Amino acid sequence: AQSVAQPEDQVNVAEGNPLTVKCTYSVSGNPYLFWYVQYPNRGLQFLLKYITGDNLVKGSYGFEAEFNKSQTSFHLKKPSALVSDSALYFCAVNTGTASKLTFGTGTRLQVTL
Amino acid sequence: GAGVSQSPSNKVTEKGKDVELRCDPISGHTALYWYRQSLGQGLEFLIYFQGNSAPDKSGLPSDRFSAERTGGSVSTLTIQRTQQEDSAVYLCASSPRGQGNSPLHFGNGTRLTVT
Repeated sequence: AQSVAQPEDQVNVAEGNPLTVKCTYSVSGNPYLFWYVQYPNRGLQFLLKYITGDNLVKGSYGFEAEFNKSQTSFHLKKPSALVSDSALYFCAVNTGTASKLTFGTGTRLQVTL
Repeated sequence: GAGVSQSPSNKVTEKGKDVELRCDPISGHTALYWYRQSLGQGLEFLIYFQGNSAPDKSGLPSDRFSAERTGGSVSTLTIQRTQQEDSAVYLCASSPRGQGNSPLHFGNGTRLTVT
């Protein structure tokens, strides 16, 4: 069975500082990894994905994530946080044969001035 | 273009009543998913439709839950004899072909409150 762990319920960052939101996964076979963001009263929006190739993936709004196979991690990063980045972030995993995307429990990012 | 549309956006119902939640996926998307989002629980997979294949119902929590997809497009999630623990946000998503490497496109969800 596939699973995702987001060990932090909340991450607090000052605007302008770098941010990291952690994600580790467990899956049989090669993983397909995703990050989504959810703003209040909205559905989830796709940020970026890792399927194959370069371990560093760049996505929307200046976010990037690094795939680390040995540590089974896919941490989300941004060099300089904005207050508008405050939202709920979900990591998710799938494989080529799985029909469903499995999500973590989410991490709330709070960026303050 | 139009995204995934869900209705109603909010639904308050009394315990024991039946409810129907509707999802209109992006035109041309053959894969459709239902997830449930409860406070602090992340997203729980409920059911997956792909084209004309038999749906993957492995996430439905009880036989009070059912879903159908008519004509390969609109889907309805039905909860019978609602219970308070059914209170959650129900999210629908679609993707072009349901392949594991395709991102899902989510609707804004239906917030269900069972009183």
